[in-house]
Amino acid sequence: GAVVSQHPSRVICKSGTSVKIECRSLDFQATTMFWYRQFPKQSLMLMATSNEGSKATYEQGVEKDKFLINHASLTLSTLTVTSAHPEDSSFYICSASLAPGAFFGQGTRLTVV
Amino acid sequence: SQQGEEDPQALSIQEGENATMNCSYKTSINNLQWYRQNSGRGLVHLILIRSNEREKHSGRLRVTLDTSKKSSSLLITASRAADTASYFCATASSGNTPLVFGKGTRLSVIA
Repeated sequence: GAVVSQHPSRVICKSGTSVKIECRSLDFQATTMFWYRQFPKQSLMLMATSNEGSKATYEQGVEKDKFLINHASLTLSTLTVTSAHPEDSSFYICSASLAPGAFFGQGTRLTVV
Repeated sequence: SQQGEEDPQALSIQEGENATMNCSYKTSINNLQWYRQNSGRGLVHLILIRSNEREKHSGRLRVTLDTSKKSSSLLITASRAADTASYFCATASSGNTPLVFGKGTRLSVIA
C-alpha cells in the first residue's frame, strides 16, 4: 500500500532555533499534502495544505511566517518551524491523499526547551 | 474546525467485551474513516466507509454509516488489551481534501 514517510520522528531543540520536518510519499505522487498538529490528549487539527509548485494555504490562526511549508516536488513537502518556542512543542503529522484514502506519516514529536 | 464529535470521550471495558464508539458530523461527506492512535504514536488507518455504503466489516471491526443522521459507529468485538488506544473518526468532503478529525474516544480494555 501507499506509504508516507516523515522524518524526524522526534526532535528536541532550543528555543529560538528552527526545525525542519520532512514528509515524503514513497510510492506515489502527491500534489497535495496536509500538515496537522496534535497537542496532548487532543485531536488532530489541520494546520495547512501544501500544494506542489504553489503556495501553501493555512488554516485560520496558523502563522504562515512561523510555519514555513515548501512542496518543491511531487513526493516531498517540508514544514519548518521557525524561531521555535516552548508553546510550539507538539506532535506534527503529515498526510497525503490517494483517493479515496489518506496516508499518514509516522509523526514528529517536537519538544522546544 | 472540528467537525466530528465522538461519543463517548472515554470508555473502559473488560477484555472480551464489545466496545462501541459513535461519531457525528455536520456537513456532507465523501467518506468517513476511523483511525486508531496509541499513546504518543502515529495514526493507524482502520477502515474507510464511503457515503453510499451503510456498513462495513474488517476482522473484529464493524462500522456503520447513517448519512441521514450524519453519524457513524465503530464496533470492536471481543476486545483485547491491545485494543487500548484513542480512536478517531475523520471525514472527507472529497477524495483530495484534508480530513477533519473528531475529538476521539479513549478506549481502555482491562485484562
